[in-house]
Amino acid sequence: DAGITQSPRHKVTETGTPVTLRCHQTENHRYMYWYRQDPGHGLRLIHYSYGVKDTDKGEVSDGYSVSRSKTEDFLLTLESATSSQTSVYFCAISEYGTVNYGYTFGSGTRLTVV
Amino acid sequence: DQQVKQNSPSLSVQEGRISILNCDYTNSMFDYFLWYKKYPAEGPTFLISISSIKDKNEDGRFTVFLNKSAKHLSLHIVPSQPGDSAVYFCAASDDNYGQNFVFGPGTRLSVLP
Repeated sequence: DAGITQSPRHKVTETGTPVTLRCHQTENHRYMYWYRQDPGHGLRLIHYSYGVKDTDKGEVSDGYSVSRSKTEDFLLTLESATSSQTSVYFCAISEYGTVNYGYTFGSGTRLTVV
Repeated sequence: DQQVKQNSPSLSVQEGRISILNCDYTNSMFDYFLWYKKYPAEGPTFLISISSIKDKNEDGRFTVFLNKSAKHLSLHIVPSQPGDSAVYFCAASDDNYGQNFVFGPGTRLSVLP
């Protein structure tokens, strides 16, 4: 979707190194999310944000931190990457009250931790 | 324990026939349900929704049915087309404002020409 971009699209990193994934939106939506997708688990929520500097933990937040200093950017950081964090990461955005339309997702970042 | 379950990891259907994808949930507080479609190397895209005040919602070839007493919903695609081949996720929320959706593990649909 043109209104939400994730970078990088692919990354290979070594165990123990820090990694930051970026999500950028041009829709001025209030809510932003980070999910990871793994076989057999579908999409699991890592962290989400409901405004600038307002974030909260999701189902699988251990080992991850986030920051949102501007409405348009939501960063996901793996402080010390582990092999279990090899996954495809999706960012999503939504506007308040879009219950019937859910989220708009980015194209994903494939992260491999070796 | 998964709150949203899609017990069929995969489904194959002949082109032109009906595809039925199923989803079960355990949280009786869920009131809003969505279906997403996902192609390889792309993000999920919204397909159709239903709220608990309805038991059916249609959009073209796609119909979602909700049985609240059974905590079950299904997505029907009629007629199925090869372009429908994708992974389908159902998602549920108990939030009136559309936040905090919980996703199922997905079902891979293959529509055979």
